[in-house]
Amino acid sequence: GEDVEQSLFLSVREGDSSVINCTYTDSSSTYLYWYKQEPGAGLQLLTYIFSNMDMKQDQRLTVLLNKKDKHLSLRIADTQTGDSAIYFCAESTGGGNKLTFGTGTQLKVEL
Amino acid sequence: GAVVSQHPSWVICKSGTSVKIECRSLDFQATTMFWYRQFPKQSLMLMATSNEGSKATYEQGVEKDKFLINHASLTLSTLTVTSAHPEDSSFYICSATRTSNEQFFGPGTRLTVL
Repeated sequence: GEDVEQSLFLSVREGDSSVINCTYTDSSSTYLYWYKQEPGAGLQLLTYIFSNMDMKQDQRLTVLLNKKDKHLSLRIADTQTGDSAIYFCAESTGGGNKLTFGTGTQLKVEL
Repeated sequence: GAVVSQHPSWVICKSGTSVKIECRSLDFQATTMFWYRQFPKQSLMLMATSNEGSKATYEQGVEKDKFLINHASLTLSTLTVTSAHPEDSSFYICSATRTSNEQFFGPGTRLTVL
């Protein structure tokens, strides 16, 4: 079955880069996603990467995918206090649009 | 575009009562809607997948008779928690898809059962 793991907590200083890591087990994943969840709110899609790509950059966000190791990372450059939230990686498999979410990483940005 | 709303955003009910949560796609027709449950400090767990006009597909371990899903139109799906108990207290989130792979998430409904 699918299993998606993340570290639980990350603390960084404002202006530094944040790197949030995710490992997954299903090698048939087609798309991998990063979502942001602020307290008491739903999920906001930040970015996604197709499984045949190694890297995707979108403004301050850089996604790296190592398909061999089944490892996905999200790098946030120049982290701001507004980036404090829980970040979930998710994978979709097959054509059914089902998502399996990671355990979530709480990012805390300190002044 | 691609806005999904949920109603209510927050509900408190007594044990044994039923609660209905609505999920609407406001500016698009959703081919599929998903219902998730999220316990505090945990990840989202998929409960069921629903397509308009057909029965929902429930994930393993989710009781169909407890969590009734009705997907009556391409813009509305409802989740009814029947005979709610304190262990059903959770954050319920829906999402909707169009033709692409992207799911658009609602803001969530916090259910507290006393």
